[in-house]
Amino acid sequence: DVKVTQSSRYLVKRTGEKVFLECVQDMDHENMFWYRQDPGLGLRLIYFSYDVKMKEKGDIPEGYSVSREKKERFSLILESASTNQTSMYLCASSLTGTGLTLSYQPQHFGDGTRLSIL
Amino acid sequence: GQNIDQPTEMTATEGAIVQINCTYQTSGFNGLFWYQQHAGEAPTFLSYNVLDGLEEKGRFSSFLSRSKGYSYLLLKELQMKDSASYLCAVRARTDKLIFGTGTRLQVFP
Repeated sequence: DVKVTQSSRYLVKRTGEKVFLECVQDMDHENMFWYRQDPGLGLRLIYFSYDVKMKEKGDIPEGYSVSREKKERFSLILESASTNQTSMYLCASSLTGTGLTLSYQPQHFGDGTRLSIL
Repeated sequence: GQNIDQPTEMTATEGAIVQINCTYQTSGFNGLFWYQQHAGEAPTFLSYNVLDGLEEKGRFSSFLSRSKGYSYLLLKELQMKDSASYLCAVRARTDKLIFGTGTRLQVFP
């Protein structure tokens, strides 16, 4: 079974702090993703990475950055936390399929980090 | 633009059948996924459709019509543990998924 582990289930930080959310997967997946999930808005993609040291902006990258120095680890950084970044953050990973399995590979999610910014 | 619509909430009775609809308008289509998410937990993968038709997996089935931009998830013989949110997601291109806002299903005895 795929295991995606997020470093914290709950986190409380203060406005202006630099916040690091860590995610590790154990299945050698090429692709990793960071989402935030808010009531009524669903999952929104912040950043994703399809290889080590590669990153692409998702739909809502403002106020965030990411780091992928090793294949198994994908970090989300809130440069200067603000109250509107209070949310549930979900990390996911997936394999890049080839040929007939190209589009089949599902994303596997971690349990999420509920982040509160005071 | 990219848009995925699904009902916000549904209720059903234990033992019944429920159908959760999803309509989408995306630039490109490379498959549609359904995920289940219990409160406070991670979304878990349920089903995948890329060709038109019905895919059956035990009590759960998923249907796709690409020409209509439409899918549904069918849950049979409902159980209390099926109370959860069900997320519809479309892979428009590459490995990115676009998610709907989810349908919260409550199953009553």
